[in-house]
Amino acid sequence: SQQGEEDPQALSIQEGENATMNCSYKTSINNLQWYRQNSGRGLVHLILIRSNEREKHSGRLRVTLDTSKKSSSLLITASRAADTASYFCATDVGDYKLSFGAGTTVTVRA
Amino acid sequence: DAGITQSPRYKITETGRQVTLMCHQTWSHSYMFWYRQDLGHGLRLIYYSAAADITDKGEVPDGYVVSRSKTENFPLTLESATRSQTSVYFCASSEQLNYGYTFGSGTRLTVV
Repeated sequence: SQQGEEDPQALSIQEGENATMNCSYKTSINNLQWYRQNSGRGLVHLILIRSNEREKHSGRLRVTLDTSKKSSSLLITASRAADTASYFCATDVGDYKLSFGAGTTVTVRA
Repeated sequence: DAGITQSPRYKITETGRQVTLMCHQTWSHSYMFWYRQDLGHGLRLIYYSAAADITDKGEVPDGYVVSRSKTENFPLTLESATRSQTSVYFCASSEQLNYGYTFGSGTRLTVV
């Protein structure tokens, strides 16, 4: 069963706009991770946020974590065409196995 | 080349046949994983391994067998392929706990 669920399922934005997607999960976690998957490719690790962290940045990416609400968000600022991809959240409940959500498909229009 | 490689990239097999998907990593990462990706289900864990000769079942292990005699290799075998095993299979590795995974490029398997 999936631990994390992303929302929305799909997102279409104009180049230069920000993209925000959310992830909700069911049980307590050790850390939460975000991955990107370009069409036909493997997943690429973007960022990891631990359960005792509330916010983390990496370049144009900003991730927040609210353990009281069991939710996380991924913000991509100033989006580019190359950001077109599917984005997955994954939760680690402490047994080093990641549980992935179904993903959010982001399309950035030129 | 350093990294994690999967082979073959594409495979078509017939129902009932045995097929093995290969996964090789060059970092000597302790942890390795096999996931399948299907539309509407995201990624589901099939098997995982914490070290050579240590493997365990994930969420959807039925019909699959794994082995890990060497740290760098983690082959996945479908003992008798069924149409429901048509999927994209991803191998991944991780250096240690609380680290991100590195994924291979995937194997697209079609069972006819």
